[in-house]
Amino acid sequence: EVQLVESGGGLIQPGGSLRLSCAVSGFSFSFSEMNWVRQAPGKGLEWVSYISSSGDTTYYADSVRGRFTISRDDAKNSLHLQMNSLRVEDTAVYYCARAHPDLTAANALDYWGQGTLVTVSS
Amino acid sequence: DIQMTQSPSSVSAFVGDRVTITCRASQDISNWLAWYQQKPGKPPKLLIFGASHLQSGVPSRFSGSRSGTDFTLTISSLQPEDLGTYFCQQASTRLGATFGGGTQIEIK
Repeated sequence: EVQLVESGGGLIQPGGSLRLSCAVSGFSFSFSEMNWVRQAPGKGLEWVSYISSSGDTTYYADSVRGRFTISRDDAKNSLHLQMNSLRVEDTAVYYCARAHPDLTAANALDYWGQGTLVTVSS
Repeated sequence: DIQMTQSPSSVSAFVGDRVTITCRASQDISNWLAWYQQKPGKPPKLLIFGASHLQSGVPSRFSGSRSGTDFTLTISSLQPEDLGTYFCQQASTRLGATFGGGTQIEIK
């Protein structure tokens, strides 16, 4: 059974830092390209970041570039998102998601976690 | 960044109706387009990838098509379980992998 389980969310003051984690099981994590996607309360989806299977290529949304860092630990089948200089507008449910392995899919996301809520507020 | 303009923002239809949702990309994204369904409190579910490829396990009443930079999701015969919010996504990471604004489907 495929499982992606996010953790590390919570309430944090503006300017603070949080590190999100995503524990993966049920598929070959080390061969998988991974993403973080967020959704503010009552709003749409916003892609946040991507990391290649090798870890040597990363992309970020303009809204988080320079503040967030995506990383992976293949030995522990885990994905991470280090979030610094947090802003009120970063408040959202953060999902980790796998890129579909089909070459025609590009970065379509086929497996998703249940999400972890990050609330940035004073 | 590429903008994805999704319409309509909401649709109300009867069971058995044909429903179409459109996404327009601000520039050429080839076939790098995916469609998702999301129900309240749940993560999105992939329906279509590569503009027209049906994800495994998704009912065949869902289909996707492309005409230039316009993409369409069609539900051929709306079912009660299809209620939810639908999102398109331009699926090129290099170009930002942006989502459309969403379409909420309600059952009359």
